[in-house]
Amino acid sequence: EIVMTQSPATLSVSPGERVTLTCRASQSISSNLAWYQQKPGQAPRLLIYGASTRATGFPARFSGSGSGTEFILTINSLQSEDFAVYYCQHYNNWPPKYTFGQGTKLEIK
Amino acid sequence: EVQLMESGGGLVQPGGSLRLSCAASGFTFSSYWMSWVRQAPGMGLEWVANIKQDGSEKNYVDSAKGRFTISRDNAKNSLYLQMNSLRAEDTAVYYCAREEYSSFWSNYYYYMDVWGKGTTVTVSS
Repeated sequence: EIVMTQSPATLSVSPGERVTLTCRASQSISSNLAWYQQKPGQAPRLLIYGASTRATGFPARFSGSGSGTEFILTINSLQSEDFAVYYCQHYNNWPPKYTFGQGTKLEIK
Repeated sequence: EVQLMESGGGLVQPGGSLRLSCAASGFTFSSYWMSWVRQAPGMGLEWVANIKQDGSEKNYVDSAKGRFTISRDNAKNSLYLQMNSLRAEDTAVYYCAREEYSSFWSNYYYYMDVWGKGTTVTVSS
């Protein structure tokens, strides 16, 4: 079973900074990785799919990279609305299941 | 507007049953795989189950096998989750989500591109 591990669990940053969030897979998953943003009291929102394709509605300051076992979500020039929890997700073909990382909480420093 | 709206959550005693519904609108419901994802209080996301477009294939997380049943009614644009033998650890917000995929060469990448707002299930005596 593939395990998705995100680091760090919490990241304290100031607005305007650049941050990188990491998601590691326990075995190679090619580019089969998505990122979601979740704000308090809201449903998750698709942010990145195919490891690097930005979903509709998100600005270019968000970018995803990586393949195989290590993936990076980069947010340039953090805005106040970016403080949220970010989850990575992989879909395994067999046995068929979606697996999420445990999340990284981005909080204001 | 593409929308998903869950209903049917509530307070139920351990061992009890509950049926969640998800009403879809703004897209061709019958063309998509659909999933249920849950989130326990203060915890992360956990995929629960999914179902193929015509209902012919269903998959479950191990903790849901034998207790939960996912189903759909394409004529009503609706997704369901029948939950039986509920346990305290099933307490969570339950989201329905639309599945999508992208392809690159022969690789397919699956993700959930539309989510409902969720419905809360509390299992407690």
